[in-house]
Amino acid sequence: DAGVTQSPTHLIKTRGQQVTLRCSPKSGHDTVSWYQQALGQGPQFIFQYYEEEERQRGNFPDRFSGHQFPNYSSELNVNALLLGDSALYLCASSFWGSYEQYFGPGTRLTVT
Amino acid sequence: GEDVEQSLFLSVREGDSSVINCTYTDSSSTYLYWYKQEPGAGLQLLTYIFSNMDMKQDQRLTVLLNKKDKHLSLRIADTQTGDSAIYFCAAVGNDYKLSFGAGTTVTVRA
Repeated sequence: DAGVTQSPTHLIKTRGQQVTLRCSPKSGHDTVSWYQQALGQGPQFIFQYYEEEERQRGNFPDRFSGHQFPNYSSELNVNALLLGDSALYLCASSFWGSYEQYFGPGTRLTVT
Repeated sequence: GEDVEQSLFLSVREGDSSVINCTYTDSSSTYLYWYKQEPGAGLQLLTYIFSNMDMKQDQRLTVLLNKKDKHLSLRIADTQTGDSAIYFCAAVGNDYKLSFGAGTTVTVRA
């Protein structure tokens, strides 16, 4: 049974560019949440997707957007990248309404 | 929103018990969690406790919850070198959004 997978593992982008990160949830899970973890800090909630809709959103600007596909996988898009967007981006999956979230290994984004 | 605070560092001798402490602010928090993060890796869910419990034991891990003081602790018995990692306390309310502390770096010395 595959756990949560994310791609790519690492990514280097330039300021102003756009990036797309991908997540496949744990088998059977239908809900995906995204978190940003800056160096030396705890993860910060970005948003959560269920039934292809954004259900919850944290305190992040509109430059951060997402999508969920019918197979429950999800994408995180960040436009107009800033240096401060450099972080580990974590995806977590769960059953809708469950309090147990399982995390993937993350995508390390570096913005230069 | 929820604020979660933890001490930043803990050094413990191999074989001793480790105790990591955490405080949170939102009294409506439903579940409280402990996650482990090893270098370059994602978060591993270690254990969690429902807010109406005051203790949960799972092998070497014991979670204690003092709901009145909004204080959570994780005790690791017989700490091993493989327990060296960053440990995150997290809380969730009815909105299902996890709020994390900044993490406690645990170093196990021989």
